[in-house]
Amino acid sequence: QKEVEQNSGPLSVPEGAIASLNCTYSDRGSQSFFWYRQYSGKSPELIMSIYSNGDKEDGRFTAQLNKASQYVSLLIRDSQPSDSATYLCAVTTSASKIIFGSGTRLSIRP
Amino acid sequence: EAGVVQSPRYKIIEKKQPVAFWCNPISGHNTLYWYRQNLGQGPELLIRYENEEAVDDSQLPKDRFSAERLKGVDSTLKIQPAELGDSAVYLCASSLGSKTGELFFGEGSRLTVL
Repeated sequence: QKEVEQNSGPLSVPEGAIASLNCTYSDRGSQSFFWYRQYSGKSPELIMSIYSNGDKEDGRFTAQLNKASQYVSLLIRDSQPSDSATYLCAVTTSASKIIFGSGTRLSIRP
Repeated sequence: EAGVVQSPRYKIIEKKQPVAFWCNPISGHNTLYWYRQNLGQGPELLIRYENEEAVDDSQLPKDRFSAERLKGVDSTLKIQPAELGDSAVYLCASSLGSKTGELFFGEGSRLTVL
């Protein structure tokens, strides 16, 4: 079992719709959870962090965390073509390692 | 504020040759990371520094990879000798502390081994 798992996609979403990205992790002691966006040929960029169960909203982005289910998700509302990128889920494990998933490729179609 | 600076951006070498990558983190960031990213994969941690101390190098292939962070600021990652499988993007990132996963990445160094 991978430490952080994501569906590789591609996930195709029409412009203006909600994109839903999911991530599961294996270390129950993990405390910090992050979403990074990576455009093709660029380096990852932090877009959301979440530390406690529930939802955290920032503009069009909402991160959701369920520690009991070891599940993290990212919702992107009113999806724009500029949201087309690979989204990486990252988790800080109980050993203070920051582990990345393999990413979900998101494509917003006009 | 300047971001994380890496060089070179691109490097093409023949197998068995040495190569080195340099990273200057964001000022004040004590924690520095080297990650390797293969195409279609997420970044894989190679080594993490707290100031000048390597606190996690369990994923660093020590037979051919070495790293240093003199004076707790700049860092260098070296590969000697390079193998075909080392072709990847080498990412340097920094953060205020190891407790946070809020990493700031440099632009990366793309290595091609022929």
